[in-house]
Amino acid sequence: GAGVSQSPSNKVTEKGKDVELRCDPISGHTALYWYRQSLGQGLEFLIYFQGNSAPDKSGLPSDRFSAERTGGSVSTLTIQRTQQEDSAVYLCASNLVPGVEYNEQFFGPGTRLTVL
Amino acid sequence: AQTVTQSQPEMSVQEAETVTLSCTYDTSESDYYLFWYKQPPSRQMILVIRQEAYKQQNATENRFSVNFQKAAKSFSLKISDSQLGDAAMYFCAYRSYTGANSKLTFGKGITLSVRP
Repeated sequence: GAGVSQSPSNKVTEKGKDVELRCDPISGHTALYWYRQSLGQGLEFLIYFQGNSAPDKSGLPSDRFSAERTGGSVSTLTIQRTQQEDSAVYLCASNLVPGVEYNEQFFGPGTRLTVL
Repeated sequence: AQTVTQSQPEMSVQEAETVTLSCTYDTSESDYYLFWYKQPPSRQMILVIRQEAYKQQNATENRFSVNFQKAAKSFSLKISDSQLGDAAMYFCAYRSYTGANSKLTFGKGITLSVRP
C-alpha cells in the first residue's frame, strides 16, 4: 500500500474485554513500532519489531499488553482484560532499514481505543 | 534515558505572523536526531523538519526553521507567515543516531491555534 494502515480506526469496548489492533506497514519496511498517545500525554513507545522479532519491548505497560508480527509484515497489538486507563490512540510506524544513517519513520492514522 | 520537554501546552498566533515553539531535551549522547512532527485532527503524524546533532547549521524547510542550541539542549521551531492549515498539535522528538532501534522519544506536544 501507499502508506501505513491501521484497523480499526476506532474501537469502543467494555472494561475487561480483550481487543486486537492491527497495523499494516509500508511494504518492504523491516522495522515496525507501536506507540500510545494518551490524553494530555505525548506519544509513548511501546514495542519495536525488526522483522518478526521484538528486541525492545521495554515500553509495554503491563503483561496485559502483547504484540506479534508475522511474515515480517502485519503486526497485531493485543490488550487483554482492558482497563479504562488503556483508553488512548495507538499509533503504528515503520521504516525501511534500521541502523542506516537516516530513514524516515512513517506513521499510520492510529486506532482510537475507548474503554467504557 | 533521554527525555524531551515541551513546557507550553498551547499557543496561538495571528495568521501571517511568526510563532516559535519551544523544546528542550536531555541526553548523554553526542550524536542524535531531533524532529518536529505535526499532528492535525486527522491524527496523521507528519514530519515537519529534522536536525542532525552533528550539523551546526540550523535546518530549514520553507516556512519552518529551527534554532538548535546543542550546548543548551534546546530545539525550537519557528513558523513564519503562519497559515490556517498550520493549526495542529506539534511534537518535538528525539532519536539516537546509532543502533538498529530507531524508536522516537516524544515531548507532550503543544496545541497551536491560528487566528484568522
